[in-house]
Amino acid sequence: KNQVEQSPQSLIILEGKNCTLQCNYTVSPFSNLRWYKQDTGRGPVSLTIMTFSENTKSNGRYTATLDADTKQSSLHITASQLSDSASYICVVSAGTGGFKTIFGAGTRLFVKA
Amino acid sequence: NAGVTQTPKFQVLKTGQSMTLQCAQDMNHNSMYWYRQDPGMGLRLIYYSASEGTTDKGEVPNGYNVSRLNKREFSLRLESAAPSQTSVYFCASSERLLGGYTFGSGTRLTVV
Repeated sequence: KNQVEQSPQSLIILEGKNCTLQCNYTVSPFSNLRWYKQDTGRGPVSLTIMTFSENTKSNGRYTATLDADTKQSSLHITASQLSDSASYICVVSAGTGGFKTIFGAGTRLFVKA
Repeated sequence: NAGVTQTPKFQVLKTGQSMTLQCAQDMNHNSMYWYRQDPGMGLRLIYYSASEGTTDKGEVPNGYNVSRLNKREFSLRLESAAPSQTSVYFCASSERLLGGYTFGSGTRLTVV
């Protein structure tokens, strides 16, 4: 069964600290993996998109890694800011003839001053 | 550049009423999608349109219909609303199927 599991469910960190969010998937055959940031009451906004051949991609203070062998991805946030408080969603697409894109339930990040 | 525009932003319906959620994109994207987001769950696909003139069911299509009016517009209709359809609905578009999404800001629907 195609699944995307994210951990932790929620996380509280102090402003200025780093954190890492995890995503494990069983979607097959793999096509791409994306990370989105969703602020409360808003639609998700794309942070990174990675294909099979990419194992690291950065977007400012956000760095995503992908290990296609172990089917794991992580999103590392450096020097967190209050504005990083949001849900972070991992999305994995399968490269089949049909359409299969699975969303994780997200990690809720709270950054405190 | 507006991106993806959804209307309305909020709506309260009585059980059995009907309504249409509107979505338009101005990025010349080929593919468009309707998702619902419920607490504690990942976004679930209701319907999608890979390209103008085509629509297909997603994971949770029951109780919904869609129309791809033209390349820009993709509407979602609830014919007879039920409390189980209380949710936040997101429209999204992408240049191609499996491409990166641009999401609208969502419609918060409550069915009483």
